[in-house]
Amino acid sequence: QKEVEQNSGPLSVPEGAIASLNCTYSDRGSQSFFWYRQYSGKSPELIMSIYSNGDKEDGRFTAQLNKASQYVSLLIRDSQPSDSATYLCAVRGSSASKIIFGSGTRLSIRP
Amino acid sequence: DTGVSQNPRHKITKRGQNVTFRCDPISEHNRLYWYRQTLGQGPEFLTYFQNEAQLEKSRLLSDRFSAERPKGSFSTLEIQRTEQGDSAMYLCASSPSFGGNTEAFFGQGTRLTVV
Repeated sequence: QKEVEQNSGPLSVPEGAIASLNCTYSDRGSQSFFWYRQYSGKSPELIMSIYSNGDKEDGRFTAQLNKASQYVSLLIRDSQPSDSATYLCAVRGSSASKIIFGSGTRLSIRP
Repeated sequence: DTGVSQNPRHKITKRGQNVTFRCDPISEHNRLYWYRQTLGQGPEFLTYFQNEAQLEKSRLLSDRFSAERPKGSFSTLEIQRTEQGDSAMYLCASSPSFGGNTEAFFGQGTRLTVV
């Protein structure tokens, strides 16, 4: 079992719709959760972090965390073509541990 | 520019040669991470430092790879006797280790091609 799992996609969503990206993790003691966006040929860019159960909203992005289910999600509202990218879920276990990434989900927003 | 800086941006080397990459983290960040990424995959953890201490190294990493952070500031990643399978993007990230915000930020990466 991989430490952080994501559906590789591609996930195709029409412009203006909500894109939903999901991630599960294996370490029940994990404390910090991150979503990164990566355009082709570029390095990952942090878009959201979440540390406690529930929802966290930032503009068009909402991160959701459910530690009991070991599940993290990212919702993108009013999807734009510029949101087309690979979205990486990342998890840190205890406060002194490394950050582990999933393999990413390719998102395509169709006009 | 106060972001994470990596040099060089691109490196082409012949198989069997040694290469060294440099990473300058965000100045107030005491954690520094190295990752390797190949096409279609997420960043694969290589090693990380807190200040000058190397706290963990991936078990998948061969002895040809070594990293240092001698004064707790910049870091270098060396690959000895490069192989074609080492061709990848090498990413560096840094983060603080205190407070409630431990977000990691990436540099632009070093793309290595072994021919």
